[in-house]
Amino acid sequence: GAVVSQHPSRVICKSGTSVKIECRSLDFQATTMFWYRQFPKQSLMLMATSNEGSKATYEQGVEKDKFLINHASLTLSTLTVTSAHPEDSSFYICSARALLGLTSSYNEQFFGPGTRLTVL
Amino acid sequence: AQSVTQPDIHITVSEGASLELRCNYSYGATPYLFWYVQSPGQGLQLLLKYFSGDTLVQGIKGFEAEFKRSQSSFNLRKPSVHWSDAAEYFCAVGASNTGKLIFGQGTTLQVKP
Repeated sequence: GAVVSQHPSRVICKSGTSVKIECRSLDFQATTMFWYRQFPKQSLMLMATSNEGSKATYEQGVEKDKFLINHASLTLSTLTVTSAHPEDSSFYICSARALLGLTSSYNEQFFGPGTRLTVL
Repeated sequence: AQSVTQPDIHITVSEGASLELRCNYSYGATPYLFWYVQSPGQGLQLLLKYFSGDTLVQGIKGFEAEFKRSQSSFNLRKPSVHWSDAAEYFCAVGASNTGKLIFGQGTTLQVKP
């Protein structure tokens, strides 16, 4: 149980285009999903917190118009990188936090496998 | 401010040797603590977690960790390392109200044959 998927796993795009990454909780409902960015050989940096039915909360320094987050249902959140540039190339990881009471791991996040974005 | 420090960026151990990865945290309340492992190009896999209760927690793959409040530490241990344990290890502290995780810088484990 508690599986999170991401699609695509790898994407290459041209500079100036937009890319959408999907994060799905497959066997549970997630009130909250988190989006992280990871540079090579570095730790995960939280970009934003996504709550179902409301606007995402972005961490300081993250451009909300650049990284659009939509959390339309309890099982799906999307991250759209708009007008991508080479410096947006990175490994993007999402995680999901289960609804209280459904599991004993309310405070635990379940991570997706990540999406490698390369912008040419 | 909340923070997590993993003092060792890179550790090399021989296969079969014991392992200890250090983690120190700074958090105002009782922390929720986690250890994750990441293989290259992969997502994070939870090794173990501490929310409350017994300060020695057992995880998957033979790992354990001990919460020491007096030292603000949550060190990860394994008595005998296998070559397949080579990976990146992250310690994290979770905020109970927001659910946010704060990650340490990570420790790269290399296992010598």
